[in-house]
Amino acid sequence: ETGVTQSPTHLIKTRGQQVTLRCSSQSGHNTVSWYQQALGQGPQFIFQYYREEENGRGNFPPRFSGLQFPNYSSELNVNALELDDSALYLCASSLGGGQSSYNEQFFGPGTRLTVL
Amino acid sequence: LAKTTQPISMDSYEGQEVNITCSHNNIATNDYITWYQQFPSQGPRFIIQGYKTKVTNEVASLFIPADRKSSTLSLPRVSLSDTAVYYCLVAPLSSARQLTFGSGTQLTVLP
Repeated sequence: ETGVTQSPTHLIKTRGQQVTLRCSSQSGHNTVSWYQQALGQGPQFIFQYYREEENGRGNFPPRFSGLQFPNYSSELNVNALELDDSALYLCASSLGGGQSSYNEQFFGPGTRLTVL
Repeated sequence: LAKTTQPISMDSYEGQEVNITCSHNNIATNDYITWYQQFPSQGPRFIIQGYKTKVTNEVASLFIPADRKSSTLSLPRVSLSDTAVYYCLVAPLSSARQLTFGSGTQLTVLP
């Protein structure tokens, strides 16, 4: 069983640029959530995708957008990067729907984004 | 979403049992209590989840009193590798759309 993978591992961008982060969910999982984790803080929920549809969104501006593909992999896009976007971006997959637990999410290792 | 409060940090020694308590006074009837562990530069890892009384797995135990306004994560005989941040979360089981992480508890295990 393959775990959650994310790419790239590290990324450096300058203010105003755009970035795309990628996530492959764990085999059999149909739900992907994205989180932003600033240094010394807990992860903050950005949004979740369930079967290619957005299934909830946290308090993040529209320049944070996402996509989920038919194979349940996902992308996080951030436009017009700001210095405060520097953080660890985590992807988590889970098996959603029915009585499945959204609370047991399997996290990837994250992408460390630095905005200069 | 119910707010949780847990200690910022705790120290322990190898071989000791560690108990981390989390307060969640506004927990709702359909909320479950979930604990995650996070090592530096890694994503959080699910440890244990429960609704009431006691839950035990191969890693930890979770104690939940009858009023469910708090919970205690118990780690038996900790080792240096248990040094990590531990997060307590409260959310509905099947309708949760997000996990709300607080700042967590930094557990440091000393030799």
